[in-house]
Amino acid sequence: DVKVTQSSRYLVKRTGEKVFLECVQDMDHENMFWYRQDPGLGLRLIYFSYDVKMKEKGDIPEGYSVSREKKERFSLILESASTNQTSMYLCASRHPGQGLSPLHFGNGTRLTVT
Amino acid sequence: GQQLNQSPQSMFIQEGEDVSMNCTSSSIFNTWLWYKQDPGEGPVLLIALYKAGELTSNGRLTAQFGITRKDSFLNISASIPSDVGIYFCAGQGGGTASKLTFGTGTRLQVTL
Repeated sequence: DVKVTQSSRYLVKRTGEKVFLECVQDMDHENMFWYRQDPGLGLRLIYFSYDVKMKEKGDIPEGYSVSREKKERFSLILESASTNQTSMYLCASRHPGQGLSPLHFGNGTRLTVT
Repeated sequence: GQQLNQSPQSMFIQEGEDVSMNCTSSSIFNTWLWYKQDPGEGPVLLIALYKAGELTSNGRLTAQFGITRKDSFLNISASIPSDVGIYFCAGQGGGTASKLTFGTGTRLQVTL
């Protein structure tokens, strides 16, 4: 079974702090994704990565950056956290070579910025 | 970025009732997917639809890919308490093949 692990379930940070959200997958998937989930807005794509050292902006990249130095790890970085970045963050991965293979999600990190 | 309109936003139903939810888009998609998110967990794929008009079942779940390719619905028959959660539709277009657009979600609560 694919396992996508997000390092923290809950985080509380202060406005202006630099925040790192870590995600690791154990199935050698090329594609990795970061979404944020907000009530009434569903899942919105922040950034994604097709492979190591590759990254592309999703629909709401402002205020975020990412790092993909190793295939199994995809980090989301909030350069200067703001209260409007309080949200649930979900990481996902998939293997593109398997046709329309599904996204496998982690259990999420609930971030609160005070 | 584009989002899919999903309705209803939330619903309370009694155990044993049937449930129906749908998703609409202004754009055409080549694939429609339905995910379920249990409390405290990430979404898990329930059903995938690949052709316009396709009707697919997975146990008590039935989903259809609309003929226009701009909509999809999900039905749950004879609901049970473990059906509680948030259901998301997702569409995948023909451009950036790996990129999904998710719906706004339907929160389902089942009472005994």
